[in-house]
Amino acid sequence: DTGVSQDPRHKITKRGQNVTFRCDPISEHNRLYWYRQTLGQGPEFLTYFQNEAQLEKSRLLSDRFSAERPKGSFSTLEIQRTEQGDSAMYLCASSLEAGGNTEAFFGQGTRLTVV
Amino acid sequence: AQKITQTQPGMFVQEKEAVTLDCTYDTSDPSYGLFWYKQPSSGEMIFLIYQGSYDQQNATEGRYSLNFQKARKSANLVISASQLGDSAMYFCAMRVPGAGTALIFGKGTTLSVSS
Repeated sequence: DTGVSQDPRHKITKRGQNVTFRCDPISEHNRLYWYRQTLGQGPEFLTYFQNEAQLEKSRLLSDRFSAERPKGSFSTLEIQRTEQGDSAMYLCASSLEAGGNTEAFFGQGTRLTVV
Repeated sequence: AQKITQTQPGMFVQEKEAVTLDCTYDTSDPSYGLFWYKQPSSGEMIFLIYQGSYDQQNATEGRYSLNFQKARKSANLVISASQLGDSAMYFCAMRVPGAGTALIFGKGTTLSVSS
């Protein structure tokens, strides 16, 4: 297993277009997280799944954002009607449990640029 | 509310020297976990070290150690014998299981190691 993988690594889109990112977690991990990281900031939590259930969503996740994790495997994050403020690195992470001492393993992220 | 503060935007160190990266946290929950991640220019967040709030001893992982001072709510990362490959962004993060599963990150510290 090569870890968490994200596709694409980079995406440039015009304002108003829809974009979709994919995350493949480590295969035995039941938890999957999406974070957003803007320049000069730490990652900010967007949402997480336990298996196929989306259990928590941040208030950062506006109604233009939707995430799915069908069958509890890979996940997609879609942004509709993109805005320039959506330009950021979108990071996916997975973990096996959610106890206090369980580290999350991150992918290399998808860098979105909205022009 | 939970919060992580990293007050050093940038740190500079010579190869083979030790360096301390500061982190303070704020939570009223007695059960929490503290993490340090490294983010090289490639973008991936790499887990370095973990400290639980009930752990009696400071965590160590190879050249990394965590100076945990609970009363001062600080969790500084110490890197001994710095290497050129340590140049990266370093993030302190906290998970409070009673407040959700997400990691809360600080703004990060950029470490530059020179020869």
